[in-house]
Amino acid sequence: AQTVTQSQPEMSVQEAETVTLSCTYDTSESDYYLFWYKQPPSRQMILVIRQEAYKQQNATENRFSVNFQKAAKSFSLKISDSQLGDAAMYFCAYRSVSGTSYGKLTFGQGTILTVHP
Amino acid sequence: GAVVSQHPSRVICKSGTSVKIECRSLDFQATTMFWYRQFPKQSLMLMATSNEGSKATYEQGVEKDKFLINHASLTLSTLTVTSAHPEDSSFYICRVSRGPNTEAFFGQGTRLTVV
Repeated sequence: AQTVTQSQPEMSVQEAETVTLSCTYDTSESDYYLFWYKQPPSRQMILVIRQEAYKQQNATENRFSVNFQKAAKSFSLKISDSQLGDAAMYFCAYRSVSGTSYGKLTFGQGTILTVHP
Repeated sequence: GAVVSQHPSRVICKSGTSVKIECRSLDFQATTMFWYRQFPKQSLMLMATSNEGSKATYEQGVEKDKFLINHASLTLSTLTVTSAHPEDSSFYICRVSRGPNTEAFFGQGTRLTVV
């Protein structure tokens, strides 16, 4: 079974600064998807960024980018120019593309991000 | 706009009663729906996977007789918490997939409080 680990329960950043959230995972699969989700106080899950494992190029979405290290099974999220609206709980997630876990999302424990003005 | 509608957003029920939560896909036919449970400041834990027209597949440790899942159509799945107890109080979220390797969408979630 796949596991996802977020070792930072809480992180904080000053507005306009950059912060990196860590995520590692364990799998024996060669093809899969990785995601970062944001969950604000409303608790609506919002997709931040997606990475396909067979793509070596790191995904980027505006101020959000990832550092995907497949061999190290690491998938960190960098938030540049942090804004107050970025404050939320962030989840790293893994999705299988085959086998009995096909389509299922496995989540990390989450990281609560606080943005200071 | 939202492509998944989950209802109700909040519900309070008495211990021993049953509560039904609905998850609807608004813009597409959903082949698979997933139900998650989340305790405060914790992660989302998958409870079961629901495929239209077939029985739901439950994760280990989830009581299928307590958490009844019905996926009777391609746009609707329901989760019924039967004989609810205070320990069932939690946030329940559905996730809807339109097909293999396509983006899936989350519902808004339901905060269940059992008193």
